[in-house]
Amino acid sequence: EIVLTQSPGTLSLSPGERATLSCRASQSVSYNYLAWYQQKPGQAPRLLIYSASSRATGIPDRFSGSGSGTDFTLTISRLEPEDFAVYSCQQYGSSPRTFGQGTKVEIK
Amino acid sequence: QVQLQESGPGLVKPSGTLSLTCAVSSGSISSSNWWSWVRQPPGKGLEWIGEISHSGSSNYNPSLKSRVTMSVDKSKNQFSLNLSSVTAADTAVYYCARQWGSHGFDYWGQGTLVAVSS
Repeated sequence: EIVLTQSPGTLSLSPGERATLSCRASQSVSYNYLAWYQQKPGQAPRLLIYSASSRATGIPDRFSGSGSGTDFTLTISRLEPEDFAVYSCQQYGSSPRTFGQGTKVEIK
Repeated sequence: QVQLQESGPGLVKPSGTLSLTCAVSSGSISSSNWWSWVRQPPGKGLEWIGEISHSGSSNYNPSLKSRVTMSVDKSKNQFSLNLSSVTAADTAVYYCARQWGSHGFDYWGQGTLVAVSS
């Protein structure tokens, strides 16, 4: 099983600032099938990034993903008020699919 | 666009079986690779339970494999989850989701809270 470790656990930033979230895998992610999801309280996860760097339909270009192998990054170039949420990474290249524990982006 | 809707009892007794169904609308269950169940205990992270294809092939999380059964009903355009011998640790919001090839889990249901309690 691939274990995904996200850091930091919490990121305290102000609107307009840049957010950089990390996701590290215990072994190489097959096909770089690494996704990022955004989740707000009481809502289902929302797909932001798939295949490590491709934006999902309708996702603003301030969200970008990078990385390969075992190290991946989600960058939000300028935080908007609606971006404060929990972000989780997931690998879906091998079974069992696994999720990171999440990074909370909160308003400073 | 594809819509998914979970349904099932919101309360299950300990040692009982949790049974949920995910109805797929605005799309055919036969058109996608895999259909998954994911759960989230209150205040915690996401856990993948397993997946099933439209042809009935399935993969389960080893941590739950002995208790999980999934099935698909193409005539009703829906798929189902059974989780047996439940305990309080199975209390969670349960989501169904579509995995579309390389695109990850692109559509999710709204989630349904299932509590395990006597």
